[in-house]
Amino acid sequence: QVQLQESGPGLVKPSQTLSLTCTVSGGSISSGDYYWSWIRQPPGKGLEWIGYIYYSGSTYYNPSLKSRLTISVDTSKNQFSLKLSSVTAADTAVYYCARGGDESSGYYSHWGQGTLVTVSS
Amino acid sequence: DIVMTQSPDSLAVSLGERATINCKSSQSVLYSSNNKNYLTWYQQRPGQPPKLLIYWASTRESGVPDRFNGSGSGTDFTLTISSLQAEDVAVYYCQQYYSTPPYSFGQGTRLEIK
Repeated sequence: QVQLQESGPGLVKPSQTLSLTCTVSGGSISSGDYYWSWIRQPPGKGLEWIGYIYYSGSTYYNPSLKSRLTISVDTSKNQFSLKLSSVTAADTAVYYCARGGDESSGYYSHWGQGTLVTVSS
Repeated sequence: DIVMTQSPDSLAVSLGERATINCKSSQSVLYSSNNKNYLTWYQQRPGQPPKLLIYWASTRESGVPDRFNGSGSGTDFTLTISSLQAEDVAVYYCQQYYSTPPYSFGQGTRLEIK
């Protein structure tokens, strides 16, 4: 069974870069046609799709975040990562990594537990 | 971008009764070439990540109880819980994954016991 686990700092200062890593176990990022994605949820609010990466490195970002966002993959470590620059309090959220469905489908069948990132000085 | 709107925002249903949650998309999420609706439903319990319930609008994920059913096509979709159980208290989200991203979620529907 595929499992995902987010890791990274829980506190980031305004204007700095938020960096998170998702470690995948129980399956290889390089196998299968899956989108590996980031999704976030501000405290008490709904879900926002951030972007995805394919094992080949191709990406798609939410246009609202595109200018600040980089998603990368390290197949040797079975990890993918998120970097969000110039953060503000509005970026405070629980960040989830997730795996898309079969045949590159955009529904999410596997999720990490999520990690809360707070942007504050 | 496709906007997803759920109704109601919150819902209170008695144990054993039916719960119905609606989701409307701002444009059709039915792909004519394969006749599939690119619509999914999740359940999120407090402090937990979302859990996939339904994909392709009506296909139940493995292990999901058969009291959960998804229906609809085009722009209008429904999640029905046929007989509410205590463990079904959660927030439910619909999400579209039609065509190119960004994928978008509904605002969520909070389901409680009456």
